[in-house]
Amino acid sequence: GIQVEQSPPDLILQEGANSTLRCNFSDSVNNLQWFHQNPWGQLINLFYIPSGTKQNGRLSATTVATERYSLLYISSSQTTDSGVYFCAVALYGNKLVFGAGTILRVKS
Amino acid sequence: DAGVIQSPRHEVTEMGQEVTLRCKPISGHNSLFWYRQTMMRGLELLIYFNNNVPIDDSGMPEDRFSAKMPNASFSTLKIQPSEPRDSAVYFCASSLSQNEKLFFGSGTQLSVL
Repeated sequence: GIQVEQSPPDLILQEGANSTLRCNFSDSVNNLQWFHQNPWGQLINLFYIPSGTKQNGRLSATTVATERYSLLYISSSQTTDSGVYFCAVALYGNKLVFGAGTILRVKS
Repeated sequence: DAGVIQSPRHEVTEMGQEVTLRCKPISGHNSLFWYRQTMMRGLELLIYFNNNVPIDDSGMPEDRFSAKMPNASFSTLKIQPSEPRDSAVYFCASSLSQNEKLFFGSGTQLSVL
């Protein structure tokens, strides 16, 4: 099946710093989504981005489908950004395969 | 919209008991998914429905697991009999169609003693 690799596995930032999270996948996909799982366990959809670039406030994402990777940018990080960031991909539909996640801790 | 609603939030049961988890998808969403999250295996898709019909149940671990969607606003995931290794967080999620943004419920934390 499709493989999803996320890096780095964990990251500690000082509040206000910027960061880039990476997602590599092993096959051509028609669906890619980024999620944030907060410390209370809630999974929040950040982006649906099978290709191209999107921005939402301090967050932006870029997917280069032909090269099989996606990047999530967090600018001016805040403590509320802490949690686990998941990349999930699907060959078709929404049968998403999740990566292992990047654990982010933002210190004040 | 209230989002995807799951119940109960927490369930503690003894090995051998039947467990039923419930999910109400976002109104108007045609696709519903059940995921399980554990430390060892991460987030795994168990089964998904489209227009109330099960499309792919290849992720259901054993015959002890079953899922139903009797109508567009309700789904259940049942484990009978439950075992300690079933302990996990079970998430329900829904999307407008099969290739749209996926929205998760708050999950059910299941502990089987």
